[in-house]
Amino acid sequence: DIQMTQSPSSLSASLGDRVTITCRASQSISTFLNWYQQKPGKAPKLLIYAASSLQSGVPSRISGSGSGTDFTLTISSLQPEDFATYYCQQSYSTPRTFGQGTKVEIK
Amino acid sequence: QVQLQESGPGLVKPSETLSLTCTVSGASISSYFWTWIRQPAGKGLEWIGRIYISGTTNYNPSLKSRVTMSGDTSKNQVSLKLSSVTAADTALYYCARENTTSRPLDVWGQGTTVTVSS
Repeated sequence: DIQMTQSPSSLSASLGDRVTITCRASQSISTFLNWYQQKPGKAPKLLIYAASSLQSGVPSRISGSGSGTDFTLTISSLQPEDFATYYCQQSYSTPRTFGQGTKVEIK
Repeated sequence: QVQLQESGPGLVKPSETLSLTCTVSGASISSYFWTWIRQPAGKGLEWIGRIYISGTTNYNPSLKSRVTMSGDTSKNQVSLKLSSVTAADTALYYCARENTTSRPLDVWGQGTTVTVSS
């Protein structure tokens, strides 16, 4: 199985801050990397697919980058609706695997 | 607009079989992989497996001996069965569509909670 490791596990940030979350795969997954946002009591929502493609309807302040084993999710200017938990997921091979999540909290 | 709705018993006894259904509207289940994911309370996401109705299934090796997925094209539903459940199977269970382009999970149901308890 491909192991996905996110960092940090949690972070505190203020409105307007630039936030970066990293995800590392235990082997190369090309660009088969997706990012999801989950709010309490809600299903995860797809933000980014194929490492850097923005899902329809997702604001452009959210972006993704990377290839191979190292990936980044960036929120350029944190907004109130961005406080949530973020997960990366590889879709290179089965079993699909998720990172452990990064909780973004208000400072 | 594609929508997914999970349903099934909220309470299952230990050693019994958990059975859930995902009803799909707005898309044919014959055209995509359909995935089951679970999330214990306060924890992360675990991929259970996926099914393509033409006959392909992929299961998480950690659950493979206990999992069966199937589909009913007449009802446009996919189903999950997990046998010999224990308290460790207590979780929120989601179904989701795996899109063919780069294979992300682009549509999710709202999830259904299953508790394993006697």
